[in-house]
Amino acid sequence: AQSVTQLGSHVSVSEGALVLLRCNYSSSVPPYLFWYVQYPNQGLQLLLKYTSAATLVKGINGFEAEFKKSETSFHLTKPSAHMSDAAEYFCAVSDGSNFGNEKLTFGTGTRLTIIP
Amino acid sequence: NAGVTQTPKFQVLKTGQSMTLQCAQDMNHNSMYWYRQDPGMGLRLIYYSASEGTTDKGEVPNGYNVSRLNKREFSLRLESAAPSQTSVYFCASLDRGSNQPQHFGDGTRLSIL
Repeated sequence: AQSVTQLGSHVSVSEGALVLLRCNYSSSVPPYLFWYVQYPNQGLQLLLKYTSAATLVKGINGFEAEFKKSETSFHLTKPSAHMSDAAEYFCAVSDGSNFGNEKLTFGTGTRLTIIP
Repeated sequence: NAGVTQTPKFQVLKTGQSMTLQCAQDMNHNSMYWYRQDPGMGLRLIYYSASEGTTDKGEVPNGYNVSRLNKREFSLRLESAAPSQTSVYFCASLDRGSNQPQHFGDGTRLSIL
């Protein structure tokens, strides 16, 4: 069985500061890992996806995440926060069916607040 | 615009009432999913349909039924609503065999009093 743990249900950063959202995974097989973003009153949108092709994955809106097998982590970062980054972020893992896009297991989410 | 359409967007029910949440996608996707989102619990899979005519239970199926009416539509039914089913419900679709991610609707916010 796979699972992800997101550390910190709420994170606040100042505009222009580094964003770091933490995710640790547990998987018995090489995982597919995802970060999704949810803006208020909207569905989830894919930020980026790890598929073992490269440990550093670049996504949309300037976000990136690094897969560290030794730490079983897949933390999301952005060098400089923007007000528009305020949203809820979900880490997810899958077992690899259909390019890893099926049967996702989501973390509990981290709400990111940007301080002007 | 192409995508996943959920209706209604908001609904308030009384305990014991029944309700069907509708989901339709116009992307010709094979697979469709129903999730519920609760504070502090992320999204949990209720049911999914890998293809037209098939449905399977997810993590939290109790109290729900689903129908994959055709390739476009996947409905979720609460036969006798309970306060524990107060949640935000998301439908998603996927083109199996492609490398595209699941595509989500905007959600249905359901309150059960």
